[in-house]
Amino acid sequence: AQTVTQSQPEMSVQEAETVTLSCTYDTSENNYYLFWYKQPPSRQMILVIRQEAYKQQNATENRFSVNFQKAAKSFSLKISDSQLGDTAMYFCAFMKHFGNEKLTFGTGTRLTIIP
Amino acid sequence: DVKVTQSSRYLVKRTGEKVFLECVQDMDHENMFWYRQDPGLGLRLIYFSYDVKMKEKGDIPEGYSVSREKKERFSLILESASTNQTSMYLCASSLSTRTGGVDIQYFGAGTRLSVL
Repeated sequence: AQTVTQSQPEMSVQEAETVTLSCTYDTSENNYYLFWYKQPPSRQMILVIRQEAYKQQNATENRFSVNFQKAAKSFSLKISDSQLGDTAMYFCAFMKHFGNEKLTFGTGTRLTIIP
Repeated sequence: DVKVTQSSRYLVKRTGEKVFLECVQDMDHENMFWYRQDPGLGLRLIYFSYDVKMKEKGDIPEGYSVSREKKERFSLILESASTNQTSMYLCASSLSTRTGGVDIQYFGAGTRLSVL
């Protein structure tokens, strides 16, 4: 079974600063996907970024990027030039590559951007 | 635009009541999921369905059942609600990618259920 660990329950950062959210996971699979989802206050969960394990290049989406270290089973999310709209719960999630389309989530990090 | 709609944002029920949580998606997705979200525990999978009338247990199915009679609709049923089922319930759907590829889940806004 897979497990996903987010060791930072809460974080806060000043607007325009850079923040990194950590995520580690445990699996015996070689092929899998990793995701960061964002859940703003009282709003729907949305996908922020995804990473295929077989790709060595780290995924980026505008101000969001990941640091994927497969050997260390680490998948951190970096938010650059943070904005007030980045205030949300962030969940790291794992999915096996084939035949099993379930997500395993971490416990989440509540990020607050301070004006 | 992708849309997953949960019928209620807030529900208050009494212990022992039968509770139905409804979820509808308009994307013709094969897969649908029900999660429970609790502080400090993240999201935990209750049940999922990969086709009409098909269902599989997730990590915490006890006390719940599901129904999927039509492709677009996935219902979560609490046969006899208990106080420990007070929680946020999230529905999600995704396209089946049985040949591989990334399978993004799209979420509804959630139903906050209080059982008194």
